[in-house]
Amino acid sequence: GNSVTQMEGPVTLSEEAFLTINCTYTATGYPSLFWYVQYPGEGLQLLLKATKADDKGSNKGFEATYRKETTSFHLEKGSVQVSDSAVYFCALDQGGKLIFGQGTELSVKP
Amino acid sequence: EADIYQTPRYLVIGTGKKITLECSQTMGHDKMYWYQQDPGMELHLIHYSYGVNSTEKGDLSSESTVSRIRTEHFPLTLESARPSHTSQYLCASLGVRADTQYFGPGTRLTVL
Repeated sequence: GNSVTQMEGPVTLSEEAFLTINCTYTATGYPSLFWYVQYPGEGLQLLLKATKADDKGSNKGFEATYRKETTSFHLEKGSVQVSDSAVYFCALDQGGKLIFGQGTELSVKP
Repeated sequence: EADIYQTPRYLVIGTGKKITLECSQTMGHDKMYWYQQDPGMELHLIHYSYGVNSTEKGDLSSESTVSRIRTEHFPLTLESARPSHTSQYLCASLGVRADTQYFGPGTRLTVL
């Protein structure tokens, strides 16, 4: 079946550091891919998405590129801020249902 | 910003109690979902609905039940809560023209 695997956390970075959170997937076909963010005490918010191979999703300085050849959708940001501290989830769409990775907690220190 | 609401936000109850977690959306979305989120953060789909009078079980088996009598409302009920039900429950919806699910703020349930 379809699945999503994320790098384990927690990830701790200093402010202005470069961020990469790895995400790989297993799927039949080419599902849409998403990154969601969950701030403390809140629900999930869509951060960015890509619907086909080589698409790049971007939002708030975050980027991820849909790589068919490596079945990956890694999340990157060039310079993180304290306010980026949250849990990040990679997900794929399976016929209207989302399959999530296990989440990666990011902590950014001033 | 998506208009999807969950109440209560926090609930602490004793074992054996019956509870209903409320979820409402004002976007007219046909599809609605319930996810259970472990303390370790993983999210699992426990119920979904593709419209009024349609409900299906998700990938993770759950003792909870759901109903969909109105488009905007998708409550989840536990007939007899147990400590193993302690978790965060997230509701989401998806419309025909929406390209992803919109999530409510969640209900954090603790069963003593």
